[in-house]
Amino acid sequence: QSALTQPASVSGFPGQSITISCTGTSSDVGAYNYVSWYQQHPAKAPKLMIYGVTNRPSGVSNRFSGSKSGNTASLTISGLQAEDEADYYCSSFTRGSTVVFGGGTKLTVL
Amino acid sequence: EVQLLESGGGLVQPGGSLRLPCAASGFTLNSFGMGWVRQAPGKGLEWVSAIGDNSGSTYLADSVKGRFTVSRDNSRNTLYMEMNSLRADDTAVYYCARSSGWWAFDIWGQGTMVIVSS
Repeated sequence: QSALTQPASVSGFPGQSITISCTGTSSDVGAYNYVSWYQQHPAKAPKLMIYGVTNRPSGVSNRFSGSKSGNTASLTISGLQAEDEADYYCSSFTRGSTVVFGGGTKLTVL
Repeated sequence: EVQLLESGGGLVQPGGSLRLPCAASGFTLNSFGMGWVRQAPGKGLEWVSAIGDNSGSTYLADSVKGRFTVSRDNSRNTLYMEMNSLRADDTAVYYCARSSGWWAFDIWGQGTMVIVSS
């Protein structure tokens, strides 16, 4: 199972919006609405930000939103803040009954 | 407070074995699916294994199939991963995590480091 494809890095200024893409195949992202997004700060455990493509867990800011079109899912962060600087990973359930993560995207807040 | 606490990591020689316990508190383990995710130094997240809630069905990544097993002891509210035939590329921080459903992991432990080296 190949990793989902994410851009290695994205950046934006405070207050701006950014979008991180996550491209898979018809066997994972395109097959199910089981796409999740995680935020990871250095030396910390990942934190769930989005599940089921569009759902936010309790306590996650509504500045974070998710979507999907075909085999590509996206995470959008609006009103960028310094604390959003972190690594972001997408994941998806697959037809093989496994989970696959993306390679990760480093977000830099300029 | 809902928490997961992994232990059991350390230095092991290639070909060796380790068992990683993950103790859950603040919730009943057998009411949730659980999983293990690892992260090699400086690398991204890699899903390793999962176990269903009461069904007990287990799922493994191809990279560990035949070498790792995942199980739970409901009486101890503890998840386990048994790792055999360890290789250098198994070196990573291993996180246990609770599945909220939707094959998403909403609660994570702090991780335990496994180093496979001679």
